[in-house]
Amino acid sequence: DIQMTQSPASLSASLGETVTIECRASEDIYSNLAWYQQKPGNSPQLLIYDANSLADGVPSRFSGSGSGTQYSLKINSLQSEDVASYFCQQYNNYPFTFGSGTKLEIK
Amino acid sequence: EVQLVESGGGLVQPGRSLKLSCAASGFTFSDYNMAWVRQAPTKGLEWVASISYGGSNTHYGDSVKGRFTISRDNAKSTLYLQMDSLRSEDTATYYCARLGYNYFDYWGQGVMVTVSS
Repeated sequence: DIQMTQSPASLSASLGETVTIECRASEDIYSNLAWYQQKPGNSPQLLIYDANSLADGVPSRFSGSGSGTQYSLKINSLQSEDVASYFCQQYNNYPFTFGSGTKLEIK
Repeated sequence: EVQLVESGGGLVQPGRSLKLSCAASGFTFSDYNMAWVRQAPTKGLEWVASISYGGSNTHYGDSVKGRFTISRDNAKSTLYLQMDSLRSEDTATYYCARLGYNYFDYWGQGVMVTVSS
C-alpha cells in the first residue's frame, strides 16, 4: 500500500497569511493526488485534483503543486472560512489512501 | 445540483449486519463510479470500497474485504453497502461519494454506524 505522510498535523496562522501543507507519498504517484477540505461538522469537499487542478467553485487562493512523491497545498490570503482540516489522497493505486490530515486554525 | 443522501446507520451489536443506502440525484448515476469512505470519531479518512458505473467491478480496502459488499441499483440511482460481521473498529461515519476518475468529487452528509454491545 502507498503511505501518505502529511505535515504539519496542525497549523495556526493569521488572517491574510499564506500557508503551505505538504504530503509525501511512499512511492511515485504520478500526480494522481487530490486535496480535500473538511470544515467542522461537515463532510469533506474536493479542492484540488490531479495535483494542481482546481475543483469547480473553489477560490483561486487555493493551489496545488508537486510531482513524483512530493506534493503541496498552498492557501494564499488566509480567510476565516478556511478554518478546517485538510487531507491529501492518492489515487494512483488501490487501495486509495489518505494523509492523516492537517488542522488549520486562525491565530 | 448533485445530491447524495445516506441512510441506514445506527447502533448494532458486534457480529451483526447492517446495510447502508445512498440515494443519488442531480446527475446521471449510471455514468459514474461510486465509493464509500469512512471516518472514525476524531480520526482521518479511510477508503472502504468502490464500484464501477455498471456494477461489474468492485474494489475493497483490506480492513473490510470479505465482510462488506458494495452494490448499486442504477434504475433506482442508489448505492449500497452491506456490512456483515461488524466489529467495534467499524464504528465510524460512512460517506457515500461520487468518483470523478478516482478522486471523490462529491460527498454525502454521512451516516453514523456504531458497533457496540
